[in-house]
Amino acid sequence: QKEVEQDPGPLSVPEGAIVSLNCTYSNSAFQYFMWYRQYSRKGPELLMYTYSSGNKEDGRFTAQVDKSSKYISLFIRDSQPSDSATYLCAMSPQGGSEKLVFGKGTKLTVNP
Amino acid sequence: DTGVSQNPRHKITKRGQNVTFRCDPISEHNRLYWYRQTLGQGPEFLTYFQNEAQLEKSRLLSDRFSAERPKGSFSTLEIQRTEQGDSAMYLCASRNQGYNEQFFGPGTRLTVL
Repeated sequence: QKEVEQDPGPLSVPEGAIVSLNCTYSNSAFQYFMWYRQYSRKGPELLMYTYSSGNKEDGRFTAQVDKSSKYISLFIRDSQPSDSATYLCAMSPQGGSEKLVFGKGTKLTVNP
Repeated sequence: DTGVSQNPRHKITKRGQNVTFRCDPISEHNRLYWYRQTLGQGPEFLTYFQNEAQLEKSRLLSDRFSAERPKGSFSTLEIQRTEQGDSAMYLCASRNQGYNEQFFGPGTRLTVL
């Protein structure tokens, strides 16, 4: 079992739809949770960062962390064609290793 | 542009050749990371520097790979005797002490023929 599981999709939605992306993880030591957006052949761009459990909202994006279920989500409201990209979840423990552990990424297409 | 920069952006080489990539982190960031990303996968951690000290290395970093960060500024990643399996995107990230967010560069895409 991989430490971080993420459905690779692809996911295709119409413009304006609410998009839900999620990851599950197995390592209970993970405390820092991030979502990155990656356009084709580009580096990952940090979208959201959350520490421990709870919700965080930034514009059209909302990140949720449920540590009891080892489940994190990213919601995109009023999705736009420019949101078409691969979305990567990433996480790391508090203390110890510095490395980020990534999911495989979910490829999202928003159709105009 | 004050982001992480990487050079070259693309590198095509023949099997058996040596290649070197460079990463310039965000100027005030003392931590620097290298990751490798293959098609359809998320980035995988290779190694990490705090200032000039290399503090963590992945098992993915075979003997053919070496990374340096002299003077705690830019970093280089060298791959000796390249193999076709080394073809990937090599990503560099940096972060500032006291913060947990890692910021990535555009990557160097390596193709080994």
